[in-house]
Amino acid sequence: EPEVTQTPSHQVTQMGQEVILRCVPISNHLYFYWYRQILGQKVEFLVSFYNNEISEKSEIFDDQFSVERPDGSNFTLKIRSTKLEDSAMYFCASSGWDRGRGREKLFFGSGTQLSVL
Amino acid sequence: AQKVTQAQTEISVVEKEDVTLDCVYETRDTTYYLFWYKQPPSGELVFLIRRNSFDEQNEISGRYSWNFQKSTSSFNFTITASQVVDSAVYFCALRGDYNQGGKLIFGQGTELSVKP
Repeated sequence: EPEVTQTPSHQVTQMGQEVILRCVPISNHLYFYWYRQILGQKVEFLVSFYNNEISEKSEIFDDQFSVERPDGSNFTLKIRSTKLEDSAMYFCASSGWDRGRGREKLFFGSGTQLSVL
Repeated sequence: AQKVTQAQTEISVVEKEDVTLDCVYETRDTTYYLFWYKQPPSGELVFLIRRNSFDEQNEISGRYSWNFQKSTSSFNFTITASQVVDSAVYFCALRGDYNQGGKLIFGQGTELSVKP
């Protein structure tokens, strides 16, 4: 089974610092996503990305956040000037067409736990 | 607006009991997709099932079964003969009418604790 890979698994940073969370989606997928889960809460959609641009973003995804696909394989989430409330698990996901099943299939990475001190 | 409600915050059962996790959704789309994910203590999201709105057949996979009732906008999940390894947070999620690439809207999750 293919995998979405996220690095690092844990990231600790000081408030005000910039962090970049990295994801390697599945190679033939076209849609990429970032989700966030604050401890003990539900998983929340942040942003979706298709054809090298943002296709949809939530209210959470303000100017502090940006996404990029710098080299055709990685998909990154940058958080500028981190705040304490940015502490959360960040999940990357990608989706593509599964020809065998004749439908789209979505895969989540195992997440990056971000702690802002 | 789309919404998923999992009214049960926590459920505790004893091993071998059956348990049903409730999920109620709201959407105006005529085509939509429903999902269940398991999140064990290790934190990853484990895919369990995907169901589209045109397929109301109930599904069984081993000890897991799902009951999709469009009339009541519910997609409930039952674990038969629960085991300690079933202890996790379970999320129900909804995706609207996208050919591909739509976001998932998650419920608040139900934390299931199965005691030996």
